[in-house]
Amino acid sequence: AQSVTQPDIHITVSEGASLELRCNYSYGATPYLFWYVQSPGQGLQLLLKYFSGDTLVQGIKGFEAEFKRSQSSFNLRKPSVHWSDAAEYFCAVGEPAAGNKLTFGGGTRVLVKP
Amino acid sequence: DGGITQSPKYLFRKEGQNVTLSCEQNLNHDAMYWYRQDPGQGLRLIYYSQIVNDFQKGDIAEGYSVSREKKESFPLTVTSAQKNPTAFYLCASSIGIKREGLRETQYFGPGTRLLVL
Repeated sequence: AQSVTQPDIHITVSEGASLELRCNYSYGATPYLFWYVQSPGQGLQLLLKYFSGDTLVQGIKGFEAEFKRSQSSFNLRKPSVHWSDAAEYFCAVGEPAAGNKLTFGGGTRVLVKP
Repeated sequence: DGGITQSPKYLFRKEGQNVTLSCEQNLNHDAMYWYRQDPGQGLRLIYYSQIVNDFQKGDIAEGYSVSREKKESFPLTVTSAQKNPTAFYLCASSIGIKREGLRETQYFGPGTRLLVL
């Protein structure tokens, strides 16, 4: 069975500093990978996705992620964090063989210091 | 204005009671999904449906039931058999494998928080 690990439960970053959120997955075939963001009490918003091709993916709100097959990772980055980036971030792996269901990591909560 | 709506925003359940969570989409999506979110556990799939009148169990289907009589609607019933129903429930939809192939993206509704009295 596939699995997704987000090693950092909480991350605190100063406004204007860079941010990197880690995501490692376990999946037998070529993975479909997603990053979603969730504000408190809200649904999930898609930040970016990777299916194939260029391993550096650009998303909304200035985020990018890099797929590294050799490390089974799909880390999310932002060069300069804004206070509005405080939220919970979820990495997910798509499983085409099972109705395209998503397997999610446990999430990383990002706090932004002024 | 296209999107996914979930109602109610908050729902309270008494012991032994069945409750139904609503999920409606006007995106003309074929596929719909229900997830449960607990703190620190990410989201877990309850049920999913790729087409009308068809649905499959996800990873944690016990104590839940669904129907898919209309393309736009995918209600979830939390039955009395679900002993720990307190959670945040998220509905999602996607275009569907038939039209988009395997490279699908799921879009999420705002969620319903279920609490037990």
